[in-house]
Amino acid sequence: QSALTQPRSVSGSPGQSVTISCTGTSSDVGGFNYVSWYQQHPGQAPKLMIYDVSERPSGVPDRFSASKSGNTASLTISGLQAEDEADYYCCSYAGSYIWIFGGGTRLTVL
Amino acid sequence: EVQLVQSGAEVKKPGESLRISCKGSGYSLTNYWISWVRQMPGKGLEWMGRIDLSDSYTNYSPSFQGHVTISADKSFSTAYLQWSSLKASDTAMYYCARRVAGSNWFDPWGQGTLVTVSS
Repeated sequence: QSALTQPRSVSGSPGQSVTISCTGTSSDVGGFNYVSWYQQHPGQAPKLMIYDVSERPSGVPDRFSASKSGNTASLTISGLQAEDEADYYCCSYAGSYIWIFGGGTRLTVL
Repeated sequence: EVQLVQSGAEVKKPGESLRISCKGSGYSLTNYWISWVRQMPGKGLEWMGRIDLSDSYTNYSPSFQGHVTISADKSFSTAYLQWSSLKASDTAMYYCARRVAGSNWFDPWGQGTLVTVSS
C-alpha cells in the first residue's frame, strides 16, 4: 500500500479556515468509514484529533471538523489560532488489520 | 490516566540487535492492541504493525514484514519492537500507540523512542 496523499503544506491567517485533503483509494479511504486525523507539534508525539471520519474526541475544540467523500477525506480547521500550527496526518484502515497514514501536511498560521 | 511510556533513546552500530519497549498503565490489558509507528527524520508517520496484548497475535505492514518483530509480555503490560540486525536506514523515531478493540484509531501515543544507527 502507498501512503495516502496529502498536500505538503497549507497556510492561513488567524481567524480564517483551512482544509487539508487526504486522498486514498477504494481499498482504504473509500472502502471504510475509518479515517482518523492526528496533530503533531514539533518534538511531540501525535495527538488524535478526529476518528471515524468526523468524530471528535473529548477535549478537541469544535473548530476541528472532518468529512469524507469517495476516496478523499478532509480536515477543516476554522477560526485558526496560532497553536494550530503543526503537522497533520490522516490515517485510514485498509482492511486485513492494516492501517495506512498520509504523508502529512504542514499547517502554517501566518 | 491512560499512558504509554516508552524506553529511552538508543545509539547502535549497523548489524547490532535492539529491542525497545512500550509499557501501558492506567487501563486493563484486555481488548487493546499496541501498534508501532515509524517516523524517519523530517518525514511522515508509517504504520509498522500491531500486537494484541491478550494473545500476542501480530500482523505487519508489508513494508516492515520480516524486518522487525513485535512481541509482548502481558504480565508486564509491555509491548516490544525488535531488530536482529540494524541498518543505518532504521534511524528514526519510533512511537507506540494504543488501539481499543473494535476501534480504528490510535490513542494515546507513547512519547517516542529515538533510535540512531551509525558506525
